[in-house]
Amino acid sequence: DAGVIQSPRHEVTEMGQEVTLRCKPISGHDYLFWYRQTMMRGLELLIYFNNNVPIDDSGMPEDRFSAKMPNASFSTLKIQPSEPRDSAVYFCASSLAGNSNQPQHFGDGTRLSIL
Amino acid sequence: GDSVTQMEGPVTLSEEAFLTINCTYTATGYPSLFWYVQYPGEGLQLLLKATKADDKGSNKGFEATYRKETTSFHLEKGSVQVSDSAVYFCALHQGNTGKLIFGQGTTLQVKP
Repeated sequence: DAGVIQSPRHEVTEMGQEVTLRCKPISGHDYLFWYRQTMMRGLELLIYFNNNVPIDDSGMPEDRFSAKMPNASFSTLKIQPSEPRDSAVYFCASSLAGNSNQPQHFGDGTRLSIL
Repeated sequence: GDSVTQMEGPVTLSEEAFLTINCTYTATGYPSLFWYVQYPGEGLQLLLKATKADDKGSNKGFEATYRKETTSFHLEKGSVQVSDSAVYFCALHQGNTGKLIFGQGTTLQVKP
């Protein structure tokens, strides 16, 4: 079975540009999570969705960040305009609804570098 | 609120040494507990889990026991290998939100 698929794997862009990160969750999973990982802050939950609806976006750092989930098989995380401090690895994860026995499955991440 | 605390890293061991990574949690109720592992350049992978008190999760020689009395879920392995070098995350499942609450991660370095 395919796992969580993220694209691109690496992104290097200049400050001020728009960045779009993409995620395809595991089929049948109805929770989707976006995380950011840095050396300084560790692993941070940015936002998560249940059945395509954003449930908690309190981890989104600024209005420059936005996330959408137009359907059950696709989500995007956008940064506009990007800044050097946004450089990090961004992970997407998915899980089955509300069942505490089911773990979250992570993608391999997008390594973002803002110059 | 719910939280997870792990021992500070990095932990550096020689091959075949015994490993313990401490994890304690604060939560309402009795959440499911997880250990995840992150190898360099990869995402987090589930290593093992336990869903109720006194459960022991195990995988690839790693074990952890859900201790309600001490609110702990320490990770152990009897004989580590160089290939076990990674970052290990302890986490609890927050039942009312569906979120995982992660510890800060512990880096393990195993030297030949």
